[in-house]
Amino acid sequence: DVKVTQSSRYLVKRTGEKVFLECVQDMDHENMFWYRQDPGLGLRLIYFSYDVKMKEKGDIPEGYSVSREKKERFSLILESASTNQTSMYLCASSLYLGYGYTFGSGTRLTVV
Amino acid sequence: GQQLNQSPQSMFIQEGEDVSMNCTSSSIFNTWLWYKQDPGEGPVLLIALYKAGELTSNGRLTAQFGITRKDSFLNISASIPSDVGIYFCAGQLASNSGYALNFGKGTSLLVTP
Repeated sequence: DVKVTQSSRYLVKRTGEKVFLECVQDMDHENMFWYRQDPGLGLRLIYFSYDVKMKEKGDIPEGYSVSREKKERFSLILESASTNQTSMYLCASSLYLGYGYTFGSGTRLTVV
Repeated sequence: GQQLNQSPQSMFIQEGEDVSMNCTSSSIFNTWLWYKQDPGEGPVLLIALYKAGELTSNGRLTAQFGITRKDSFLNISASIPSDVGIYFCAGQLASNSGYALNFGKGTSLLVTP
């Protein structure tokens, strides 16, 4: 089974801090994704990557950046955390863009 | 991303009842998928649909890819307490096959014994 591992289940950070959320997948998938999940808003795409060093903006990229230096690892960076970035962050990977996403367990980030 | 209208937003049912939820859009989709998210976990794929009219079952779950390619439904028969969770529809736009999946806002299902 594909495994997508997110480094932290819970994080508490201060406003203005630089925050790194890490995600690793073990099945050699080309595509990786970062979504955020908020009550009543579903899953919203922040960024995705279809190859090493390649990235595409999703629907809500403002305030975030990403890094994919190796195929198995996709990092989400909050350059200067703000309270409105308090959310559940979900990483996923897939062989194809259109289906077959496997999600990690999520990182619940609280910015205080 | 293209908005997927998922309904109902929440359901509160008794064990043994059947459940139906659906997802609609004004745009055409290449794929429709249904995911379930248990509390504190990431979504897990339940059913994937790849062509218009396709009807697929997975145990007590049945899903269909609408013939117009603009909608999909998921039915759960004889619900049990472990069906509790949030169900998401997701799809890839036919007009943007180089983009990631769009997700609905979810249907929260509660099942009482």
